[in-house]
Amino acid sequence: QLRLQESGPGLVKPSGTLSLTCSVSGDSISSSSSYHWAWIRQSPGKGQEWIGHIYYSGTTFYNPSLKSRVLISVDTPKNQFSLKVNSVTPADTAVYYCARLVAQYYYYMDVWGKGTTVAVSS
Amino acid sequence: VLTQSPGTLSLSPGERATLSCRASQSVSSSYLAWYQHKSGQAPSLLIFGASKRATGIPDRFSGSGSGTNFTLTISRLEPEDFAVYFCQHYVDSRFIFGPGSKVEIK
Repeated sequence: QLRLQESGPGLVKPSGTLSLTCSVSGDSISSSSSYHWAWIRQSPGKGQEWIGHIYYSGTTFYNPSLKSRVLISVDTPKNQFSLKVNSVTPADTAVYYCARLVAQYYYYMDVWGKGTTVAVSS
Repeated sequence: VLTQSPGTLSLSPGERATLSCRASQSVSSSYLAWYQHKSGQAPSLLIFGASKRATGIPDRFSGSGSGTNFTLTISRLEPEDFAVYFCQHYVDSRFIFGPGSKVEIK
């Protein structure tokens, strides 16, 4: 059974860099050309916001509103993918989720991690 | 932009829930999905392609619609169905999520 687990610091100082890792178990991150690997966040009181996603080859797709501050990378030997958001502000406080994205004829996220809370505060 | 209504739906177990997801412009049904989210848990996929149930999802959950109007229907609410439901679409190489509808116990 596929499982995704987010990890990383729960507190980041303003202007710093938020760094999270998603560990994938139960399948290889490069098992299928139909799968991409996504980051999504939910700020307090708001809906989900897509941050971006990455193909196992390293091709990335970013939300235009965050693109200048975000980097998503993949480490296939470790079966992990990562998120970095730089120059963070309190507006980046959110629960961050990683998910597997099915991208073929249909586009949807079929497996999600439980999420990790990140607060941006001094 | 995706909008969802109602914001909150108060119902009793056994009742029918009808949730709406509306897009600001016509969208492809292939890219419309519905999720269930319970606090502190991972969101779970219910419906993809507007009407196709994900693996293991009970048949009391159904999706319908096209163009700008989509609907998630729960035919008879079970106690475990009280949660937040949100829709998702993919357009212009971006994923967009609706704000969610909360189904609470009356």
